[in-house]
Amino acid sequence: RKEVEQDPGPFNVPEGATVAFNCTYSNSASQSFFWYRQDCRKEPKLLMSVYSSGNEDGRFTAQLNRASQYISLLIRDSKLSDSATYLCVVTPTSGGYNKLIFGAGTRLAVHP
Amino acid sequence: EAQVTQNPRYLITVTGKKLTVTCSQNMNHEYMSWYRQDPGLGLRQIYYSMNVEVTDKGDVPEGYKVSRKEKRNFPLILESPSPNQTSLYFCASGTGSREQYFGPGTRLTVT
Repeated sequence: RKEVEQDPGPFNVPEGATVAFNCTYSNSASQSFFWYRQDCRKEPKLLMSVYSSGNEDGRFTAQLNRASQYISLLIRDSKLSDSATYLCVVTPTSGGYNKLIFGAGTRLAVHP
Repeated sequence: EAQVTQNPRYLITVTGKKLTVTCSQNMNHEYMSWYRQDPGLGLRQIYYSMNVEVTDKGDVPEGYKVSRKEKRNFPLILESPSPNQTSLYFCASGTGSREQYFGPGTRLTVT
C-alpha cells in the first residue's frame, strides 16, 4: 500500500464549479500535511498547509481528519488557471529532517 | 530573487556515461534534497542533506551519489546511468518541516 494515496483523476470541470480532492495516508503518526500544486511537468509549489482545525485561503479550503487519516482540498469557483496537478504531501515522524512523502497527484482540468 | 537552479534542464545520454546534475540555492537553506518523478509514482526522494558534509539516503538511492561541500550546492551524480534512471529530477531546499522550494527540474533520458 502506498503511504499517500490520491485519486489520479483527471477531474474535468467547468469554470465556476466546486471541486474536491481527497487523499489518505497510512502512517497514523504523521505530523504535517500540505497541498502542493504542480503545473504541467514544472516544479511543485506549496499551495497551502493543512491544519487539524481546517484552514482556508481564498477559494481554497483544506481539511484534515486524523482519525480517518484523510486530507481534503476544496476549490470553489474554479478558474481556468486552477488547471494543474495537486499533490498531497505528508511528513512522517521518523526519517530525514524535512522528509516529504508525496502522493502521485490528482489532475484537474478546468474548461470554459 | 530567491531560487533553486538546476543544470542541465534536459539531457540525453547513453548507458554507462557518467553525468552530474548541478543544484544550487541562494536562500541559505540547510536542508537540500533530490527527488525523481515518474508517472503514477509521484516524487520519490533519492538523497538528502541536512547540512554541509551531512548526507543520507532517501527512498531510492541506488545508482546515485551526492556531495555537499558547500551549503549552496548539492550535485547529483550518476556514475553509470542506466535506462531505468530515465526520469524527471527535482532538487529542493528548505528549513524545518515546512515549505520546500524546488528547482525547475532536469529531464534525463538514458538510452
